[in-house]
Amino acid sequence: NAGVTQTPKFRILKIGQSMTLQCAQDMNHNYMYWYRQDPGMGLKLIYYSVGAGITDKGEVPNGYNVSRSTTEDFPLRLELAAPSQTSVYFCASSYSDRQLYSNQPQHFGDGTRLSIL
Amino acid sequence: EDKVVQSPLSLVVHEGDTVTLNCSYEVTNFRSLLWYKQEKKAPTFLFMLTSSGIEKKSGRLSSILDKKELFSILNITATQTGDSAIYLCAVGIMEYGNKLVFGAGTILRVKS
Repeated sequence: NAGVTQTPKFRILKIGQSMTLQCAQDMNHNYMYWYRQDPGMGLKLIYYSVGAGITDKGEVPNGYNVSRSTTEDFPLRLELAAPSQTSVYFCASSYSDRQLYSNQPQHFGDGTRLSIL
Repeated sequence: EDKVVQSPLSLVVHEGDTVTLNCSYEVTNFRSLLWYKQEKKAPTFLFMLTSSGIEKKSGRLSSILDKKELFSILNITATQTGDSAIYLCAVGIMEYGNKLVFGAGTILRVKS
């Protein structure tokens, strides 16, 4: 039972490089989320999606892009990596059959630790 | 601005102790309050609370919500070294996207 799978687990990038963090879920969840976690700061929402073809900005979207072409996949792209993007990135998913209310928790992947030097 | 504040930020206890972790919140449209445990990797779900005064229990862990005073507590009795983790509190917002607002977390270390 895979749940939410994130790849890669670790990556080191140089300033200005680009990369895509992959996220896939096999639970048929319609909602998916990307967070970043910095020490002492909790999780901050970067982008989210309520279904295939629909994406929206979260609290800290600058420097990132996402797409949601299928229900299962929700990749996060960094176009021009900057040292401020050094963080641990978590993907999460949940199911809701109502637009404004969910009684289902979000389920998280194991994270991608990204360092930009 | 929606805000979730956890206290203490960190805590060291000995095996067998009982600990209480606190979470207070100020949000515009409260939907639910969730507790997660984060060890090395993914946060794992513990509890979801939507109603005041109803305690949720799972083994040695329990949690309760007070929607009038805007806080929740997570209790862990007879702590074990395996309880060492970051405990995250999150508040679900009743708006498009079913988003969560997270607190900074409480780092718990249980010494043997």
